[in-house]
Amino acid sequence: LAKTTQPISMDSYEGQEVNITCSHNNIATNDYITWYQQFPSQGPRFIIQGYKTKVTNEVASLFIPADRKSSTLSLPRVSLSDTAVYYCLVGEGSADSWGKLQFGAGTQVVVTP
Amino acid sequence: GAVVSQHPSWVICKSGTSVKIECRSLDFQATTMFWYRQFPKQSLMLMATSNEGSKATYEQGVEKDKFLINHASLTLSTLTVTSAHPEDSSFYICSVHGDRGPETEAFFGQGTRLTVV
Repeated sequence: LAKTTQPISMDSYEGQEVNITCSHNNIATNDYITWYQQFPSQGPRFIIQGYKTKVTNEVASLFIPADRKSSTLSLPRVSLSDTAVYYCLVGEGSADSWGKLQFGAGTQVVVTP
Repeated sequence: GAVVSQHPSWVICKSGTSVKIECRSLDFQATTMFWYRQFPKQSLMLMATSNEGSKATYEQGVEKDKFLINHASLTLSTLTVTSAHPEDSSFYICSVHGDRGPETEAFFGQGTRLTVV
């Protein structure tokens, strides 16, 4: 499983865009990049997933450069409720590791008024 | 996506007793479920893989005799913390993984806060 590195924390104000970059230099060809959000005392929640280029859904965008050695989660116009820990995961779908997620330290995002 | 429910949400037990935590996949038949542990201010750590109808597989450093896992049906996995001690106090989370291939996300339960006194 590829190791990921992301900032420990990020602060933002309401209404701003928050971009969290994750480094995964050892990403394998068949690895997908997935981001999860976790609120205190809750299980993580899936945000977005991508393989290459750009992916957008109703809550976030994920930018992946051509070399796939990093990715950036973009949260548009954050609100106070976006205060959470965000985890970047890179995993493969092999039978040996499928579903066995390796969480890094995550990024604590704090949104203030 | 799958809905995963854990019970209880929190539990307090005395040192030396055992505690059972249930993880149910409400709308998805899961042959495999995963158990994680999360200490305060730390990330999730995979403890074990629960396999329906067979033995669980444990990650390195996790005592299988202390953390008993039973996966008797496609919708229920249980984690029993035996002879609990204060250092076992943690947030325990289970998950299931979809079956669409490597691009499938994981679905997590709401977690169980265990406090051993």
